[in-house]
Amino acid sequence: DTAVSQTPKYLVTQMGNDKSIKCEQNLGHDTMYWYKQDSKKFLKIMFSYNNKELIINETVPNRFSPKSPDKAHLNLHINSLELGDSAVYFCASSQVPWRGLRTSVTDTQYFGPGTRLTVL
Amino acid sequence: TQLLEQSPQFLSIQEGENLTVYCNSSSVFSSLQWYRQEPGEGPVLLVTVVTGGEVKKLKRLTFQFGDARKDSSLHITAAQPGDTGLYLCAGSSNAGGTSYGKLTFGQGTILTVHP
Repeated sequence: DTAVSQTPKYLVTQMGNDKSIKCEQNLGHDTMYWYKQDSKKFLKIMFSYNNKELIINETVPNRFSPKSPDKAHLNLHINSLELGDSAVYFCASSQVPWRGLRTSVTDTQYFGPGTRLTVL
Repeated sequence: TQLLEQSPQFLSIQEGENLTVYCNSSSVFSSLQWYRQEPGEGPVLLVTVVTGGEVKKLKRLTFQFGDARKDSSLHITAAQPGDTGLYLCAGSSNAGGTSYGKLTFGQGTILTVHP
């Protein structure tokens, strides 16, 4: 009954390769996220999708392309991998408030177990 | 760009000691969250504070949101080895309705509690 799952758990690959990481949530949430955690444990948002629509796109190289086939899945495809892409990538999901409804309450984000990507 | 500065970065203490972790910013946040992350796992939410001056308690953990909603602290009383982990603060701002759901994380505090 895993809430947010990611595959693979570990990914070791050579520079220049293309790889994908998959994420699935069974919580019925409308919003999913991709985060990158560097070697110093700093966690930074990359993308966010709400009901398959891209709503947050931070300054991320366009080698990174998220894809959401449905609201329960958010995959991350990375082209031409570089050494600096090595990190732990976390998927998360939340049930954010309805678009346009302003509220100061932050929804709980549920994180997956992470995918450790190592680029050699 | 909103930034959250978390301190200390590392904390190594003996079982039974008290400790406080700080999270500071020059920006105002509509709410602030604290997460705990264990090795090989994703962060797990501990608490959300939304009102300036708010204090929340979770067993031996006390969380406080600053009056101006720019800072927060996490205090642990009588720390135990099971408290060991990475603690992250994260702020959210709904300004203009364009960034809902977006969290800005602090750098994290790695806490080690020795038996």
